[in-house]
Amino acid sequence: NAGVTQTPKFRVLKTGQSMTLLCAQDMNHEYMYWYRQDPGMGLRLIHYSVGEGTTAKGEVPDGYNVSRLKKQNFLLGLESAAPSQTSVYFCASSYGAGRYEQYFGPGTRLTVT
Amino acid sequence: QQQVKQSPQSLIVQKGGISIINCAYENTAFDYFPWYQQFPGKGPALLIAIRPDVSEKKEGRFTISFNKSAKQFSLHIMDSQPGDSATYFCAASIWQAGTALIFGKGTTLSVSS
Repeated sequence: NAGVTQTPKFRVLKTGQSMTLLCAQDMNHEYMYWYRQDPGMGLRLIHYSVGEGTTAKGEVPDGYNVSRLKKQNFLLGLESAAPSQTSVYFCASSYGAGRYEQYFGPGTRLTVT
Repeated sequence: QQQVKQSPQSLIVQKGGISIINCAYENTAFDYFPWYQQFPGKGPALLIAIRPDVSEKKEGRFTISFNKSAKQFSLHIMDSQPGDSATYFCAASIWQAGTALIFGKGTTLSVSS
């Protein structure tokens, strides 16, 4: 049982490049979330999903897109990376159906130059 | 608008002492208040959580105190150990919605031996 895993662990992008971050969970969780963590800012929600095929915007969605084609995977895309998107990205998941404790992955450190 | 305010930003405690971290929230609809512990380079890990039907919850050396009327909650770490040195985040959400956690900005705890 690996829990929540994230790929890649580190990435450096140039401004304007695109990339996709992958989150996978093996806990049969219904809900999945993408957060970003910046120094002194805590964690802020980018997008979330309450089930396969559904997504919703969080607090800071601009510049990001997401997809939840399979229950166990939640993808975060950056179409045209900007230096302001330099951050550590965390994926989380929760069971749903009255059990909403969120469990986090190890994070992806992204630098945009 | 910062819905969850956390203090202090940093805290130094001697081994064996009590660490106290405070949080205040604004949204009276919040009814789930977890604390997360994060070590450098790792994802946040759920430490302890409380619902507002109780005023205190204890798990080992960790205790949450909750004051609904004041819209405040706090984490107490008894007999603090060097291994407790980490960043602690409080958070709040609306439990039934299963949606985003709103995080405080974090407290960096250093326990000196």
